[in-house]
Amino acid sequence: QVQLLQSGAEVKKPGASVKVSCAASGYTFADYYIHWVRQAPGQGLEWMAWNNPNSGGTKYSQKFQGRVTLTRDTSVSTAFMELSGLRSDDTAIYYCARVVEMTTPRAGLDVWGQGTTVTVSS
Amino acid sequence: DIQMTQSPSTLSASVGDRVTITCRASQSIDTWLAWYQQKPGKAPKLLIYRTSILESGVPSRFSGSGSGTEFTLTINSLQPDDFATYYCQHYDNYSDFGQGTRLEIK
Repeated sequence: QVQLLQSGAEVKKPGASVKVSCAASGYTFADYYIHWVRQAPGQGLEWMAWNNPNSGGTKYSQKFQGRVTLTRDTSVSTAFMELSGLRSDDTAIYYCARVVEMTTPRAGLDVWGQGTTVTVSS
Repeated sequence: DIQMTQSPSTLSASVGDRVTITCRASQSIDTWLAWYQQKPGKAPKLLIYRTSILESGVPSRFSGSGSGTEFTLTINSLQPDDFATYYCQHYDNYSDFGQGTRLEIK
């Protein structure tokens, strides 16, 4: 079945970087954009960025521009999100999610990873 | 940036009720809007995209409408499984979510 499997929980110190992976299975990885969304404890959803797994093209929220980098490895159908300059308010669950329609970033997100908890603490 | 404002932030209702959640965009987003349901400890679940297209497997009691800057999610005949938090999301140029509406049992 279609699935996104994310890497495990991370604990980082302020100022460090974290890289979260998102392994796709059950569909053609290159055909569907991947978005990244985060959710701080007890808070709402926050959109971060999207990646085109076919071309590698990206679009970043202005809030995260300069701190977030999306990459992908098509040979292993995996997307990556790296966030640098971590602060305590980056503590959150980070989700990858697939767009419901092929070859566009502009549609709902139908398949979600299980989430990766990133804790930033000194 | 386009701001999304959801209302109400909390909604109390009973099983069998019809409820409506509103999402307003700070500028026109055409019909580039989705709705999600989220339960505690779970990832969001897509309900509706492109304002009114029901995601496969989602019950028909859920419906969406609107265009431009004002959008609504309607749930007819609330079921016990529907009590959760709901989010709208625009995906015009960039993307972002509304702040959420918590639907609780009255």
